[in-house]
Amino acid sequence: AQSVAQPEDQVNVAEGNPLTVKCTYSVSGNPYLFWYVQYPNRGLQFLLKYITGDNLVKGSYGFEAEFNKSQTSFHLKKPSALVSDSALYFCAVREDTGTASKLTFGTGTRLQVTL
Amino acid sequence: GAVVSQHPSRVICKSGTSVKIECRSLDFQATTMFWYRQFPKKSLMLMATSNEGSKATYEQGVEKDKFLINHASLTLSTLTVTSAHPEDSSFYICSPAVRLADNEQFFGPGTRLTVL
Repeated sequence: AQSVAQPEDQVNVAEGNPLTVKCTYSVSGNPYLFWYVQYPNRGLQFLLKYITGDNLVKGSYGFEAEFNKSQTSFHLKKPSALVSDSALYFCAVREDTGTASKLTFGTGTRLQVTL
Repeated sequence: GAVVSQHPSRVICKSGTSVKIECRSLDFQATTMFWYRQFPKKSLMLMATSNEGSKATYEQGVEKDKFLINHASLTLSTLTVTSAHPEDSSFYICSPAVRLADNEQFFGPGTRLTVL
């Protein structure tokens, strides 16, 4: 069974500083990995995905994530945080089965960026 | 990204009534629809998966007679919470998807259900 772990409930960062939101995953086959962001009382917005290719994936709003197969991690990063980045971030994994199987989400990490 | 709408965005109802939530994919055709439930400060819990024209497949622990899902067309799916109780109060989010597994899913803005 596939699973995702986000070990931090909350990450606090000062504006302008780099941020990292951690994610590790477990699948039996090849993983498709995703990051989503959720603002209050809103649905999820897609940030970026890793399917294959370069381990460093760039996405929306200046975010990027690094796929590390040996550590089964897919940490989300941004070089310089903004107050507007404050939101709930979800990592998700889908196993490569050839069809649109379900996504499994982590428990979410709340990012708080302060001035 | 794809545009997904949900209606209503927020609903308050009395215990025992039924509530229908509509989900529309406005600019693409969704062969698969996922319905999620999100509790406060919690991750999304997949409730069921439906393919257009087929019966929905429910996750373990989800009552299919209570949460009726209809995926009548490639652009519309509905979730009906029947005989709602206060414990059904939650944030319900739909996610239409195409069959390719490497495609990202897009999510509706969610419906906040409050059962009094």
